[in-house]
Amino acid sequence: EDQVTQSPEALRLQEGESSSLNCSYTVSGLRGLFWYRQDPGKGPEFLFTLYSAGEEKEKERLKATLTKKESFLHITAPKPEDSATYLCAVCRGSGTYKYIFGTGTRLKVLA
Amino acid sequence: NAGVTQTPKFRVLKTGQSMTLLCAQDMNHEYMYWYRQDPGMGLRLIHYSVGEGTTAKGEVPDGYNVSRLKKQNFLLGLESAAPSQTSVYFCATREAGADTQYFGPGTRLTVL
Repeated sequence: EDQVTQSPEALRLQEGESSSLNCSYTVSGLRGLFWYRQDPGKGPEFLFTLYSAGEEKEKERLKATLTKKESFLHITAPKPEDSATYLCAVCRGSGTYKYIFGTGTRLKVLA
Repeated sequence: NAGVTQTPKFRVLKTGQSMTLLCAQDMNHEYMYWYRQDPGMGLRLIHYSVGEGTTAKGEVPDGYNVSRLKKQNFLLGLESAAPSQTSVYFCATREAGADTQYFGPGTRLTVL
Protein backbone atom coordinates (compact mmCIF):
# COMPACT_ATOMS: atom_id res chain seq x y z
CA GLU A 1 0.00 0.00 0.00
CA ASP A 2 1.27 3.46 -0.88
CA GLN A 3 2.19 5.38 2.22
CA VAL A 4 3.97 8.56 3.27
CA THR A 5 5.04 9.07 6.88
CA GLN A 6 6.50 12.29 8.20
CA SER A 7 8.42 12.71 11.43
CA PRO A 8 8.46 14.31 13.83
CA GLU A 9 4.86 15.53 14.00
CA ALA A 10 6.03 18.74 15.65
CA LEU A 11 9.42 20.34 16.20
CA ARG A 12 10.47 23.36 18.23
CA LEU A 13 13.85 24.91 17.49
CA GLN A 14 15.72 27.89 18.76
CA GLU A 15 16.68 30.41 16.13
CA GLY A 16 19.92 29.23 14.54
CA GLU A 17 19.48 25.61 15.69
CA SER A 18 19.75 23.45 12.58
CA SER A 19 17.70 20.25 12.22
CA SER A 20 16.11 17.87 9.74
CA LEU A 21 12.60 16.74 8.94
CA ASN A 22 12.01 13.22 7.68
CA CYS A 23 9.64 11.86 5.03
CA SER A 24 9.67 8.10 4.57
CA TYR A 25 7.65 6.57 1.77
CA THR A 26 6.45 3.30 0.37
CA VAL A 27 5.24 3.59 -3.18
CA SER A 28 5.54 1.51 -6.30
CA GLY A 29 6.86 3.35 -9.28
CA LEU A 30 7.90 6.63 -7.69
CA ARG A 31 7.69 9.42 -10.18
CA GLY A 32 8.62 12.29 -7.89
CA LEU A 33 8.71 13.52 -4.30
CA PHE A 34 7.53 16.97 -3.38
CA TRP A 35 8.02 19.29 -0.43
CA TYR A 36 5.54 22.03 0.37
CA ARG A 37 5.38 24.72 3.03
CA GLN A 38 1.97 25.54 4.52
CA ASP A 39 1.36 28.58 6.69
CA PRO A 40 -1.72 28.68 8.98
CA GLY A 41 -4.86 29.44 7.00
CA LYS A 42 -3.04 29.25 3.65
CA GLY A 43 -2.63 26.75 0.87
CA PRO A 44 0.48 24.61 0.43
CA GLU A 45 3.32 26.49 -1.24
CA PHE A 46 5.61 24.48 -3.50
CA LEU A 47 9.24 24.19 -2.41
CA PHE A 48 11.02 21.31 -4.18
CA THR A 49 10.60 18.33 -6.47
CA LEU A 50 13.07 15.43 -6.27
CA TYR A 51 13.13 12.64 -8.81
CA SER A 52 15.95 10.22 -8.10
CA ALA A 53 18.00 8.90 -5.20
CA GLY A 54 20.98 11.12 -4.50
CA GLU A 55 19.32 14.24 -5.82
CA GLU A 56 19.54 17.42 -3.72
CA LYS A 57 17.79 20.78 -4.04
CA GLU A 58 18.46 23.97 -2.07
CA LYS A 59 16.57 27.18 -1.45
CA GLU A 60 17.83 29.71 1.08
CA ARG A 61 18.07 27.85 4.43
CA LEU A 62 16.34 24.71 3.13
CA LYS A 63 17.93 21.69 1.51
CA ALA A 64 16.01 18.62 0.39
CA THR A 65 17.61 15.24 -0.23
CA LEU A 66 16.25 11.93 -1.50
CA THR A 67 17.12 8.27 -0.98
CA LYS A 68 15.26 5.19 -2.20
CA LYS A 69 13.15 5.09 0.97
CA GLU A 70 13.07 8.58 2.42
CA SER A 71 13.64 12.25 1.99
CA PHE A 72 15.04 14.80 4.38
CA LEU A 73 14.38 18.49 4.59
CA HIS A 74 17.38 20.07 6.27
CA ILE A 75 16.92 23.49 7.82
CA THR A 76 20.14 25.35 8.45
CA ALA A 77 20.23 28.20 10.98
CA PRO A 78 16.45 28.62 10.95
CA LYS A 79 14.71 31.92 11.59
CA PRO A 80 11.28 32.52 13.15
CA GLU A 81 9.84 33.15 9.68
CA ASP A 82 10.61 29.52 8.81
CA SER A 83 7.86 28.48 11.23
CA ALA A 84 5.22 26.58 9.25
CA THR A 85 3.96 23.10 8.52
CA TYR A 86 6.07 21.25 5.98
CA LEU A 87 4.26 18.69 3.83
CA CYS A 88 5.78 15.85 1.87
CA ALA A 89 4.04 14.15 -1.04
CA VAL A 90 4.92 11.44 -3.53
CA CYS A 91 3.64 10.91 -7.03
CA ARG A 92 3.36 7.65 -8.87
CA GLY A 93 1.95 6.48 -12.13
CA SER A 94 1.90 7.88 -15.60
CA GLY A 95 -0.54 10.17 -17.34
CA THR A 96 -3.09 10.57 -14.57
CA TYR A 97 -0.70 10.55 -11.63
CA LYS A 98 -1.61 9.60 -8.08
CA TYR A 99 -0.37 11.86 -5.29
CA ILE A 100 -0.05 10.66 -1.69
CA PHE A 101 0.47 13.25 1.03
CA GLY A 102 1.97 12.95 4.48
CA THR A 103 0.39 14.60 7.50
CA GLY A 104 3.15 17.16 7.83
CA THR A 105 5.67 18.38 10.40
CA ARG A 106 4.74 21.52 12.36
CA LEU A 107 7.89 23.56 12.83
CA LYS A 108 8.14 26.36 15.36
CA VAL A 109 11.31 28.45 15.45
CA LEU A 110 11.72 30.52 18.58
CA ALA A 111 13.54 33.86 18.58
CA ASN B 1 -1.38 36.84 -12.65
CA ALA B 2 -3.42 35.50 -9.74
CA GLY B 3 -2.46 31.81 -10.09
CA VAL B 4 -5.11 29.70 -8.37
CA THR B 5 -7.99 31.40 -6.58
CA GLN B 6 -10.83 29.91 -4.56
CA THR B 7 -14.23 31.32 -3.70
CA PRO B 8 -15.48 31.68 -1.00
CA LYS B 9 -12.75 31.75 1.67
CA PHE B 10 -15.11 30.78 4.47
CA ARG B 11 -18.62 29.35 4.63
CA VAL B 12 -20.95 28.01 7.30
CA LEU B 13 -23.78 25.71 6.22
CA LYS B 14 -26.57 23.91 8.00
CA THR B 15 -26.98 20.19 7.49
CA GLY B 16 -28.83 19.52 4.27
CA GLN B 17 -27.98 22.81 2.58
CA SER B 18 -26.18 22.90 -0.74
CA MET B 19 -23.32 25.02 -2.01
CA THR B 20 -20.72 25.29 -4.74
CA LEU B 21 -17.04 26.06 -4.33
CA LEU B 22 -15.27 27.70 -7.23
CA CYS B 23 -11.66 27.21 -8.24
CA ALA B 24 -10.29 29.48 -10.94
CA GLN B 25 -6.82 29.44 -12.52
CA ASP B 26 -5.07 31.69 -15.00
CA MET B 27 -2.08 29.42 -15.68
CA ASN B 28 -3.73 27.50 -18.54
CA HIS B 29 -3.10 24.21 -16.73
CA GLU B 30 -4.87 21.10 -18.03
CA TYR B 31 -5.25 19.25 -14.76
CA MET B 32 -7.28 20.43 -11.78
CA TYR B 33 -7.88 18.76 -8.44
CA TRP B 34 -10.07 19.12 -5.37
CA TYR B 35 -8.64 18.00 -2.02
CA ARG B 36 -9.86 18.13 1.54
CA GLN B 37 -7.57 18.60 4.52
CA ASP B 38 -8.58 17.37 7.95
CA PRO B 39 -6.59 17.45 11.21
CA GLY B 40 -4.17 14.55 11.52
CA MET B 41 -4.73 13.42 7.95
CA GLY B 42 -2.91 14.09 4.75
CA LEU B 43 -4.60 15.87 1.88
CA ARG B 44 -7.17 13.55 0.34
CA LEU B 45 -8.28 13.73 -3.27
CA ILE B 46 -12.01 14.21 -3.83
CA HIS B 47 -12.32 14.62 -7.61
CA TYR B 48 -10.06 15.68 -10.42
CA SER B 49 -10.17 16.75 -14.06
CA VAL B 50 -7.73 16.05 -16.85
CA GLY B 51 -9.17 18.70 -19.12
CA GLU B 52 -12.17 20.80 -20.03
CA GLY B 53 -15.35 18.75 -19.96
CA THR B 54 -13.81 15.81 -18.08
CA THR B 55 -14.05 14.76 -14.44
CA ALA B 56 -13.08 11.68 -12.44
CA LYS B 57 -13.44 10.37 -8.91
CA GLY B 58 -10.64 10.50 -6.41
CA GLU B 59 -10.17 8.83 -3.05
CA VAL B 60 -13.17 10.33 -1.18
CA PRO B 61 -15.81 11.35 -3.76
CA ASP B 62 -19.02 10.47 -1.91
CA GLY B 63 -21.29 13.45 -1.24
CA TYR B 64 -19.55 15.69 -3.79
CA ASN B 65 -20.02 16.48 -7.46
CA VAL B 66 -17.81 18.45 -9.81
CA SER B 67 -17.95 20.16 -13.17
CA ARG B 68 -15.35 21.59 -15.53
CA LEU B 69 -17.27 23.44 -18.22
CA LYS B 70 -14.42 25.87 -18.85
CA LYS B 71 -10.72 25.07 -18.75
CA GLN B 72 -9.99 27.73 -16.19
CA ASN B 73 -12.75 26.80 -13.72
CA PHE B 74 -13.37 23.71 -11.60
CA LEU B 75 -16.49 23.63 -9.45
CA LEU B 76 -17.06 21.46 -6.39
CA GLY B 77 -20.65 20.97 -5.30
CA LEU B 78 -22.19 19.68 -2.12
CA GLU B 79 -25.83 18.78 -2.76
CA SER B 80 -26.82 18.03 0.84
CA ALA B 81 -24.12 19.03 3.28
CA ALA B 82 -23.30 16.83 6.29
CA PRO B 83 -21.22 17.62 9.39
CA SER B 84 -18.62 15.09 8.14
CA GLN B 85 -17.93 17.50 5.28
CA THR B 86 -16.61 20.12 7.67
CA SER B 87 -13.09 20.59 6.38
CA VAL B 88 -10.69 22.85 4.54
CA TYR B 89 -10.93 22.41 0.80
CA PHE B 90 -8.03 23.04 -1.53
CA CYS B 91 -7.93 23.25 -5.27
CA ALA B 92 -4.73 22.42 -7.14
CA THR B 93 -3.65 22.62 -10.76
CA ARG B 94 -0.96 20.91 -12.81
CA GLU B 95 0.43 21.57 -16.23
CA ALA B 96 0.22 18.72 -18.72
CA GLY B 97 3.57 16.92 -18.90
CA ALA B 98 4.74 18.35 -15.57
CA ASP B 99 4.58 16.78 -12.12
CA THR B 100 4.17 19.63 -9.67
CA GLN B 101 0.78 20.67 -8.33
CA TYR B 102 0.08 24.29 -7.37
CA PHE B 103 -2.48 24.98 -4.69
CA GLY B 104 -5.06 27.65 -4.07
CA PRO B 105 -5.55 29.43 -0.72
CA GLY B 106 -8.35 27.14 0.46
CA THR B 107 -11.98 27.35 1.57
CA ARG B 108 -12.84 26.66 5.20
CA LEU B 109 -16.27 25.02 5.36
CA THR B 110 -18.20 24.32 8.53
CA VAL B 111 -21.39 22.26 8.44
CA LEU B 112 -23.55 22.56 11.54
